[in-house]
Amino acid sequence: DVKVTQSSRYLVKRTGEKVFLECVQDMDHENMFWYRQDPGLGLRLIYFSYDVKMKEKGDIPEGYSVSREKKERFSLILESASTNQTSMYLCASSLEGGGVCEQFFGPGTRLTVL
Amino acid sequence: DQQVKQNSPSLSVQEGRISILNCDYTNSMFDYFLWYKKYPAEGPTFLISISSIKDKNEDGRFTVFLNKSAKHLSLHIVPSQPGDSAVYFCAAPQGNNRKLIWGLGTSLAVNP
Repeated sequence: DVKVTQSSRYLVKRTGEKVFLECVQDMDHENMFWYRQDPGLGLRLIYFSYDVKMKEKGDIPEGYSVSREKKERFSLILESASTNQTSMYLCASSLEGGGVCEQFFGPGTRLTVL
Repeated sequence: DQQVKQNSPSLSVQEGRISILNCDYTNSMFDYFLWYKKYPAEGPTFLISISSIKDKNEDGRFTVFLNKSAKHLSLHIVPSQPGDSAVYFCAAPQGNNRKLIWGLGTSLAVNP
């Protein structure tokens, strides 16, 4: 059974704190993604990675960075959390090539920044 | 400018009736479409897809129709069940298929 796991389901942090969100997939997928979901705004892509140590900015990268040191793990970092980063964060992975593009999602992390 | 549009933010349907969720796209290069379902506090899960070489794909109670000339697709759920209450997203792969372009979603409520 394929699986994407995220380190926390719920997280509460204070403004200015450094926040790490971890994502691990066990499907040997090349591509990994970080999204945030906010009411009325759908899924917005923050960053994605198509290989170890490779990353590309998505639609809303400001205030975020990422790290991919191992194929199965993709971390999202909020260097200095702000209240407007309160959101649901979703990690996903997908296989590279072969016309396959289905993304598999983790359960999400609900982050609240006070 | 949104390339994938779901113009109805919400839809309410009686149990047992048909639910029709609509999606329009502007990029004629899109040749594959996916529908995802999302419950609150969970990640989206893949539901059904369709390739542009087809105009219909069916999986149990779920059928997706594609009208390429109108750049329109629709997801039909028959019969609708209360457990179908969720947000439904339409998406299309872009370029090299790594990224998906997402609609904003339609929240479906199926009332008992």
